[in-house]
Amino acid sequence: DAGVTQSPTHLIKTRGQHVTLRCSPISGHKSVSWYQQVLGQGPQFIFQYYEKEERGRGNFPDRFSARQFPNYSSELNVNALLLGDSALYLCASSLEGRGPPETQYFGPGTRLLVL
Amino acid sequence: EDKVVQSPLSLVVHEGDTVTLNCSYEVTNFRSLLWYKQEKKAPTFLFMLTSSGIEKKSGRLSSILDKKELFSILNITATQTGDSAIYLCAVNTNAGKSTFGDGTTLTVKP
Repeated sequence: DAGVTQSPTHLIKTRGQHVTLRCSPISGHKSVSWYQQVLGQGPQFIFQYYEKEERGRGNFPDRFSARQFPNYSSELNVNALLLGDSALYLCASSLEGRGPPETQYFGPGTRLLVL
Repeated sequence: EDKVVQSPLSLVVHEGDTVTLNCSYEVTNFRSLLWYKQEKKAPTFLFMLTSSGIEKKSGRLSSILDKKELFSILNITATQTGDSAIYLCAVNTNAGKSTFGDGTTLTVKP
């Protein structure tokens, strides 16, 4: 069975541009969470979606948005990119959707570099 | 603001040594504490702890939670080079938040 998949694996953008990252959860999982991991730090929670509705949001500016599709895949969008947005973006899927997921499975991440 | 602090930041040991990694937290409305291992990119789940004093064990790894003193430890006995990784601690709250610590980087030398 396929695990969580993310695309692209790597991405280079310039300041001010927009980026869309994609995530497909494990088959049967209805919840997707997004995290940002800056080098040397732990993952920072951005969003959780369950059944296409936002169930949790971290302390990120409105430049960050996400959505979940009927097939439970998800997109993370970041507008007006800043140098500080350079990070590994992790997607995690889980079965449950009430509160933060207890058992979640992480994808390999998308490494974003903003120049 | 919810806070999770891990110590030490990094650790270098030799194969066969035993290590103890620490995670302390200050959060509102604690729900659970989780440990992950991160080798290249994707963190992989190790343990989930919700009750004080109950040890979770998997092979050479074990973990315990102290909800009164607000910390958890992760023990690894008879370390192997394959244990080299970043170990992450995360705390979930009933308010729907998930807060990670910055991790402990463990290097196991042959």
